[in-house]
Amino acid sequence: DQQVKQNSPSLSVQEGRISILNCDYTNSMFDYFLWYKKYPAEGPTFLISISSIKDKNEDGRFTVFLNKSAKHLSLHIVPSQPGDSAVYFCAYLGIQGAQKLVFGQGTRLTINP
Amino acid sequence: DAGITQSPRHKVTETGTPVTLRCHQTENHRYMYWYRQDPGHGLRLIHYSYGVKDTDKGEVSDGYSVSRSKTEDFLLTLESATSSQTSVYFCAIRETAYNEQFFGPGTRLTVL
Repeated sequence: DQQVKQNSPSLSVQEGRISILNCDYTNSMFDYFLWYKKYPAEGPTFLISISSIKDKNEDGRFTVFLNKSAKHLSLHIVPSQPGDSAVYFCAYLGIQGAQKLVFGQGTRLTINP
Repeated sequence: DAGITQSPRHKVTETGTPVTLRCHQTENHRYMYWYRQDPGHGLRLIHYSYGVKDTDKGEVSDGYSVSRSKTEDFLLTLESATSSQTSVYFCAIRETAYNEQFFGPGTRLTVL
């Protein structure tokens, strides 16, 4: 069972506008979520994270929102830039101890000039 | 950048042959992980290690084994490669006090 779902395989946004990437989860026991960004032929790079005790976390142009009642996570990028074109993965931490990450399927974001 | 390297970066092999992928870190982190990335599946955990000679299975461990004889090296072995193991393999490391994992550049493996 996919416990983290990214229902949009791709998203196209104009440069300068807001990009919103979404992620839904099923297990209410998750307490830490992360977003990773991946360029072709490179490993994923950590972008931003949020703990379930918060509903928002900001880092420059990137903001992550957590709606626990809806079991929904979103990443906002404002303003979007061409260098933001990449695949974005949401992830949550699995069982405690080894801190195993469980990833969504990914969303390919394309920023158009 | 986290000090993680993976070798080889690309490999083509035939069904039934053994294959070993290497992950090397210079950070001295306790935790190391192997993932595979396939279209429509994101990244899935194969095996992980929480110290020298301490390893455990992940979500998709069938057909894979691992070894960690030194802190800096984590090896992933496909004892008898199959076409279903064609994938991109990523190693990751994590510092004990933090939740974030940092990934290596990946190894593209093709099994013919």
